[in-house]
Amino acid sequence: IAGITQAPTSQILAAGRRMTLRCTQDMRHNAMYWYRQDLGLGLRLIHYSNTAGTTGKGEVPDGYSVSRANTDDFPLTLASAVPSQTSVYFCASSGGLAGGSDTQYFGPGTRLTVL
Amino acid sequence: GQNIDQPTEMTATEGAIVQINCTYQTSGFNGLFWYQQHAGEAPTFLSYNVLDGLEEKGRFSSFLSRSKGYSYLLLKELQMKDSASYLCAVRDRDYKLSFGAGTTVTVRA
Repeated sequence: IAGITQAPTSQILAAGRRMTLRCTQDMRHNAMYWYRQDLGLGLRLIHYSNTAGTTGKGEVPDGYSVSRANTDDFPLTLASAVPSQTSVYFCASSGGLAGGSDTQYFGPGTRLTVL
Repeated sequence: GQNIDQPTEMTATEGAIVQINCTYQTSGFNGLFWYQQHAGEAPTFLSYNVLDGLEEKGRFSSFLSRSKGYSYLLLKELQMKDSASYLCAVRDRDYKLSFGAGTTVTVRA
């Protein structure tokens, strides 16, 4: 069982280019999340999806879009990358069931550098 | 929203005990999580508290006081492999997590 996979592992991107970060989970989790992690700021939520077909905005959604066409995949797109989007991006998933711990499990991350 | 504070760094000796404090202010509390993150890796789940009191899991324990907006993670019998960042996260009523900036623990021989 792979859990959550992310691709690419790392990427250097020219400013203004479009980029899609991929995230796939095989745990049949309902909820999925995208975070960015910057030094001194911790993990910040970009977008989330409580179930296939629905998405919502997190704390820092500007410049990013997501889609959730099925349960397993939750791609994050940067339509026109800017240097401030240089960060480590983590995808996470959770069962999405109300009650209980509903722990989030994280993918290995994508290190993105925008020049 | 959430406002979560934890110390930036802590250093301790192998075999010792370290306590990482986390204070939070929240508009709707629905659980508190601790994650461990080694450098260059993903965060991994350590503990979850939703009711007041102590939760113990081997060498790691986590405590919660909802009335004080306070939690701590206790690491006992420290090992070199415990050198990592420890992230405090508060869940709101919409089941979204807000994270503190993390506490980097360095274990010295």
